[in-house]
Amino acid sequence: GENVEQHPSTLSVQEGDSAVIKCTYSDSASNYFPWYKQELGKRPQLIIDIRSNVGEKKDQRIAVTLNKTAKHFSLHITETQPEDSAVYFCAANQAGTALIFGKGTTLSVSS
Amino acid sequence: NAGVTQTPKFQVLKTGQSMTLQCAQDMNHEYMSWYRQDPGMGLRLIHYSVGAGITDQGEVPNGYNVSRSTTEDFPLRLLSAAPSQTSVYFCASSHKAGGSPLHFGNGTRLTVT
Repeated sequence: GENVEQHPSTLSVQEGDSAVIKCTYSDSASNYFPWYKQELGKRPQLIIDIRSNVGEKKDQRIAVTLNKTAKHFSLHITETQPEDSAVYFCAANQAGTALIFGKGTTLSVSS
Repeated sequence: NAGVTQTPKFQVLKTGQSMTLQCAQDMNHEYMSWYRQDPGMGLRLIHYSVGAGITDQGEVPNGYNVSRSTTEDFPLRLLSAAPSQTSVYFCASSHKAGGSPLHFGNGTRLTVT
């Protein structure tokens, strides 16, 4: 089955800096790669996703890149703000169906 | 639309007891799934369903049963609760399996003593 590894497990940045979170996946049939943000005590919520026919996608301060050959994808957050502090999860679809998640990255943005 | 509704929000069980976590969605989504979340372990898939009458095992299915008799409902049954099942459980649904965004419920915090 699919295995998704996520790094780093914790990330601390100063407000205004950029943050990068990286994930690798094992199933070459995976074709959908979403990122979720989870604030303390709340449910995960989708922030951005990318499909395998696209190499990069941007939404304001957030971007995701995908390298299918290397089987890795990354989340980039620019101009970080304190409200970006949360746990971020990457995921990949196993055999085109179920989403398998990484173990999460706790991002702390200090002002 | 209420989205994905999970009940109860909190539950305490004794070892060996059984219970059912309820999940319902009103978005006519084909795909539904259950995850458990433990500190440092991320979201681990328990069971999933690609449509009514179809279920499959995820990463950590042992000790749990599911059924999908209707499109809307996807209950998770704990057969004989164990302390290792203490966790936060999330139900999630999406329009189609694998290729569309998951919508999560608010979670059920389960403690097994």
